[in-house]
Amino acid sequence: EVQVLESGGGLVQPGESLRLSCEASGFTFSVYAMNWVRQAPGKGLEWVSTISGSGGSTYYADSVKGRFTISRDNSKNTLYLQMNSLRAEDTAVYYCAKDAQLSSAIERYTWFDPWGQGTLVTVSS
Amino acid sequence: DIVMTQSPDSLAVSLGERATINCKSSQSVLYSSNNKKYIAWYQQKPGQPPKLLIYWASTRESGVPDRFSGSGSGTDFTLTISSLQAEDVAFYYCQQYYSTPFTFGPGTKVDIK
Repeated sequence: EVQVLESGGGLVQPGESLRLSCEASGFTFSVYAMNWVRQAPGKGLEWVSTISGSGGSTYYADSVKGRFTISRDNSKNTLYLQMNSLRAEDTAVYYCAKDAQLSSAIERYTWFDPWGQGTLVTVSS
Repeated sequence: DIVMTQSPDSLAVSLGERATINCKSSQSVLYSSNNKKYIAWYQQKPGQPPKLLIYWASTRESGVPDRFSGSGSGTDFTLTISSLQAEDVAFYYCQQYYSTPFTFGPGTKVDIK
């Protein structure tokens, strides 16, 4: 069974850092792009970042660019999100989501499936 | 950036009746090279992660009941629940994966009337 499981959330003060992890199983992790999507309390879904299977290409939402870094360790089947200079508006449940299909030159991008259960990050003094 | 809008914000439908959710993209998400529409639909129940329902605007994910269907053109898309069941109470989100930043609609809440 394909699964992704996030961890690392918690309560931090504004300006502090936090690293989220997402452990993957049930598929060949190294060939799939992976994504982080967040959801503020009572709000909708916001894409945060994507990383290619090799880790050589990364993409970020403008709201986190320069503060967050996505990375992966294919030897450990694990995705990471390093979050620095955290702000109150970063408070959200952070979901890890697998690209549903392998990327191709023709199709370029794909939808997300499956999603993990999420980990809550709260930024508050 | 491609802006996604949804309507209505919420709707209440009687059990067994049809529910229709609309999604509009600010620019076409039809890729001419493969003639595919880069739209996905997700269902999210309280306390749960999003669950994939539809991709390529109209392809139903395996295991999703056939009362769920998707349709649409380059910028206007629809998710239809043909006969609403109690377990369909949830938020529904459309997403474009045509280009980064990938963007979601604001969501539509579906309830029982």
